Amino acid sequence: GENVEQHPSTLSVQEGDSAVIKCTYSDSASNYFPWYKQELGKGPQLIIDIRSNVGEKKDQRIAVTLNKTAKHFSLHITETQPEDSAVYFCAASRGGSYIPTFGRGTSLIVHP
Amino acid sequence: EAGVAQSPRYKIIEKRQSVAFWCNPISGHATLYWYQQILGQGPKLLIQFQNNGVVDDSQLPKDRFSAERLKGVDSTLKIQPAKLEDSAVYLCASSLGLGSSYEQYFGPGTRLTVT
Repeated sequence: GENVEQHPSTLSVQEGDSAVIKCTYSDSASNYFPWYKQELGKGPQLIIDIRSNVGEKKDQRIAVTLNKTAKHFSLHITETQPEDSAVYFCAASRGGSYIPTFGRGTSLIVHP
Repeated sequence: EAGVAQSPRYKIIEKRQSVAFWCNPISGHATLYWYQQILGQGPKLLIQFQNNGVVDDSQLPKDRFSAERLKGVDSTLKIQPAKLEDSAVYLCASSLGLGSSYEQYFGPGTRLTVT
């Protein structure tokens, strides 16, 4: 089955800095890569996703890049704000069922 | 639009007791998922329903876990008997349907502590 590795487990930045979270996956047939943000006491919320026919996608301060050859993808957050503090999960899936396999999460702390 | 509702939000039980969780998905969402999220890990799928039929329950420990989705709307997940290792957050999610929408909407979860 699919295996998703996520790094780092904890990331501490100053407000205004950029943050980068990296993930690798094992199943070359995976073609859908969502990123979720989970705040304390809440369920994960989709913040951005990318499909295998696209190399990069951007939405305001958030961008995701995908390298299918190397089987890795990354989340980039620019101009970080304290409200960006949360746990971020990457995931990978394939096929019509779109059941994602999640990474272990990255706890992002943005210091004001 | 109302989100995915779950209850209870917290539950503490002793090992060998039973417990049930309830989920009400977003109106019109045909697909419903139950995930287990152990502290420090990502969510792991337990079971997926399409309307009231099971699509995937390969990772559900069927000797102690059961789930149903009567009438294709609400769903309940039951654990009987509970073990210490069942302590986790149980998340319910829903989506429009298989292949028709990638996005899953998650509820707030039920935090289960087994002592």
